[in-house]
Amino acid sequence: DAGVIQSPRHEVTEMGQEVTLRCKPISGHDYLFWYRQTMMRGLELLIYFNNNVPIDDSGMPEDRFSAKMPNASFSTLKIQPSEPRDSAVYFCASSPIRDTGELFFGEGSRLTVL
Amino acid sequence: AQSVAQPEDQVNVAEGNPLTVKCTYSVSGNPYLFWYVQYPNRGLQFLLKYITGDNLVKGSYGFEAEFNKSQTSFHLKKPSALVSDSALYFCAVRDRNNDMRFGAGTRLTVKP
Repeated sequence: DAGVIQSPRHEVTEMGQEVTLRCKPISGHDYLFWYRQTMMRGLELLIYFNNNVPIDDSGMPEDRFSAKMPNASFSTLKIQPSEPRDSAVYFCASSPIRDTGELFFGEGSRLTVL
Repeated sequence: AQSVAQPEDQVNVAEGNPLTVKCTYSVSGNPYLFWYVQYPNRGLQFLLKYITGDNLVKGSYGFEAEFNKSQTSFHLKKPSALVSDSALYFCAVRDRNNDMRFGAGTRLTVKP
């Protein structure tokens, strides 16, 4: 299995631009998670899906952030408009099992907003 | 809501010595506890987990962790550290609501 695939690995953009991060979970995994990692805040859970349905989006910072999962093999995290404080590494992870299962992480998308 | 705490930002040990990375948890009901490792510019990798059963859990790369219910702790241990163990380590808890919450991370440095 190829694992969780994220793209792009690196993104540099200017403030105000739209950013779209993409994730392909491991086939057969019912749960998909988006995390943000920064030095100041560590790993923050932004949102997670179960069978393509958003379950908890309380970690999404504000309305500029949105996430979708149109099918079992694809999810996007969009920031519009982007701001310098959004600079972080964004991780996608998937899991096959409820509550007791470990997460499988992608390599992350490093976002820099100038 | 469930949470975990990692009281040490940094742990330094000499190669060959035992290492311990501390984690305490707060959760209602039975905890499902995990340890992950992160190498530079990589995603997190699963090391081990405690769901139920034996309090001593063995995982990847010779790591183990001890679940202690009375102390609400789940410390990560290894009998003999390697330089290649140097990385960022995260404790995490997952509950019946199914989301995974991570600690702040502990940077382990193993010196030759």
